[in-house]
Amino acid sequence: GAGVSQSPRYKVAKRGQDVALRCDPISGHVSLFWYQQALGQGPEFLTYFQNEAQLDKSGLPSDRFFAERPEGSVSTLKIQRTQQEDSAVYLCASSPGQSYNSPLHFGNGTRLTVT
Amino acid sequence: QKEVEQNSGPLSVPEGAIASLNCTYSDRGSQSFFWYRQYSGKSPELIMFIYSNGDKEDGRFTAQLNKASQYVSLLIRDSQPSDSATYLCAVNWATSGTYKYIFGTGTRLKVLA
Repeated sequence: GAGVSQSPRYKVAKRGQDVALRCDPISGHVSLFWYQQALGQGPEFLTYFQNEAQLDKSGLPSDRFFAERPEGSVSTLKIQRTQQEDSAVYLCASSPGQSYNSPLHFGNGTRLTVT
Repeated sequence: QKEVEQNSGPLSVPEGAIASLNCTYSDRGSQSFFWYRQYSGKSPELIMFIYSNGDKEDGRFTAQLNKASQYVSLLIRDSQPSDSATYLCAVNWATSGTYKYIFGTGTRLKVLA
């Protein structure tokens, strides 16, 4: 496809369950970002990959959050032992290059609800 | 703590008027600046970006950057009801071989027919 693809679109998890969110970036895009967006807020940075290397994970809120991009393409964000405060929309974005003026292209997001 | 500040609004303007959206940022090392539009329940979509001081125009949109004042704005001319959305300002800077985009909380714009 032409855009960033995320799955699932919606996920309901019971508190304590593990979830895995998938992101398929635009083909050839080097950079991949994960963001968390709570209702009425802007996207909050979680982590950044350049190809398969995770260069920045300073935004991950706890060690329950883990992200990987093993072959430099598809990425997975995993949340272990989900808590209610993890309920949010998780956005994946990719960018073609590494320069400071490369805009982000967002996927449609995964809305996670923890009950 | 690097910050990007926006007035959350809502900013209400009549149809056909100019809407002015503002954003300030805290880090003088910031290098490029992006405006995204986000409709309710949808993901952000890029409107335009700017990295040099001054104005940049694209159709009905003009981005203005003043690095000395650490201020970036978006003007929407001839506002239409379809422009009603949340507008996100994002700031990008590079450091230590990596770079990141920090977003403001967004300004909700309502264009009244």
